Amino acid sequence: GAVVSQHPSRVICKSGTSVKIECRSLDFQATTMFWYRQFPKQSLMLMATSNEGSKATYEQGVEKDKFLINHASLTLSTLTVTSAHPEDSSFYICSARFSGGDTGELFFGEGSRLTVL
Amino acid sequence: AQTVTQSQPEMSVQEAETVTLSCTYDTSESDYYLFWYKQPPSRQMILVIRQEAYKQQNATENRFSVNFQKAAKSFSLKISDSQLGDAAMYFCAYRSASTGNQFYFGTGTSLTVIP
Repeated sequence: GAVVSQHPSRVICKSGTSVKIECRSLDFQATTMFWYRQFPKQSLMLMATSNEGSKATYEQGVEKDKFLINHASLTLSTLTVTSAHPEDSSFYICSARFSGGDTGELFFGEGSRLTVL
Repeated sequence: AQTVTQSQPEMSVQEAETVTLSCTYDTSESDYYLFWYKQPPSRQMILVIRQEAYKQQNATENRFSVNFQKAAKSFSLKISDSQLGDAAMYFCAYRSASTGNQFYFGTGTSLTVIP
């Protein structure tokens, strides 16, 4: 199946700093990528939809100035958590939709665990 | 918005036995896709099986099969001959065939496989 790679898998940062997470589709072009946040033992919460070459679409309640999303190419989307605080600590997962198939299934990255001290 | 409900937060099964995970959804659409994803402790979500709503035949992938009841809006996952590696969180997901890219996920079922 298609491969989505996410980096870094773990990151620890100090409060007030910014952290960038990369999501790459390795063997297909993804015009749309999705960023999710997952709390322990809970489901995935969609944060935003990232569209190549245009602004991301954020879900209600997600601060677009705190969670900056850039989708500069068909294979790369980045999520930057700006001025991170301990409450931003979470597991962040990216996914890309494979538009070549008829079901448009999602392929997920490995996830990034962010810990803000 | 569509909702996906998984009423079993936790399930357990003996190794080599069969287990069924439940999923119901709410939609007014007639054309859509349903998925079961597995999230093992490594945390990467993996597609287990998918079903197109226009297909009456239930999808099957080796030991995994679904019971798709469109009228009842039910989409259960059956795992046969359970293996230790099947232990994971399982998420049911819905995607419209016509109204955009968004996936709707259930709250997940944690499956434990007992040796």
